[in-house]
Amino acid sequence: EAGVAQSPRYKIIEKRQSVAFWCNPISGHATLYWYQQILGQGPKLLIQFQNNGVVDDSQLPKDRFSAERLKGVDSTLKIQPAKLEDSAVYLCASSLGGGLGTQYFGPGTRLTVL
Amino acid sequence: QKEVEQDPGPLSVPEGAIVSLNCTYSNSAFQYFMWYRQYSRKGPELLMYTYSSGNKEDGRFTAQVDKSSKYISLFIRDSQPSDSATYLCAMTHLGGGYQKVTFGTGTKLQVIP
Repeated sequence: EAGVAQSPRYKIIEKRQSVAFWCNPISGHATLYWYQQILGQGPKLLIQFQNNGVVDDSQLPKDRFSAERLKGVDSTLKIQPAKLEDSAVYLCASSLGGGLGTQYFGPGTRLTVL
Repeated sequence: QKEVEQDPGPLSVPEGAIVSLNCTYSNSAFQYFMWYRQYSRKGPELLMYTYSSGNKEDGRFTAQVDKSSKYISLFIRDSQPSDSATYLCAMTHLGGGYQKVTFGTGTKLQVIP
């Protein structure tokens, strides 16, 4: 079974630029999560999708971050404009359901904002 | 006060040692308790999860939950260099019909051969 795929693996941008990350979850997984993991911290949930609907985006900075999950499969997370404090690893995870289904994480995208 | 507190370490132990990793929490609504392992430059992977107070064993790993003290632990017996990683505790509570996960900050473990 293929795991969660993410791209790019690394991205370096200057502040005020925009950036987009892509995630392909495990086939058949209805729930998709985007996390932000700042160095030395645990993952912080940004947004959770159930199929293509948003069920939790309470910690998403909506003035600069946006995410979509077209057709309930792939997802993209965008930051526009980026700030220095957005430097982090962005993790995508998926699970079969929105309950206590095990979350499977991708390798993450390491973003550096200069 | 953070909802979940975890000693960041780093923790360095010799091979074969017993390792104890701990988290405390303040939210009584947390229902499920998990431990994830995260190798460098990789995503976290689930090691164990438990619901009730008590112990749960899986090979060299034992997860312990004490809901009365709001304290969870992960014990690793006969630690191996391959156990060197960051260990994240995580807890969930029901919100809006979904289990919402809160992670600890992680403890970095190094097992020295």
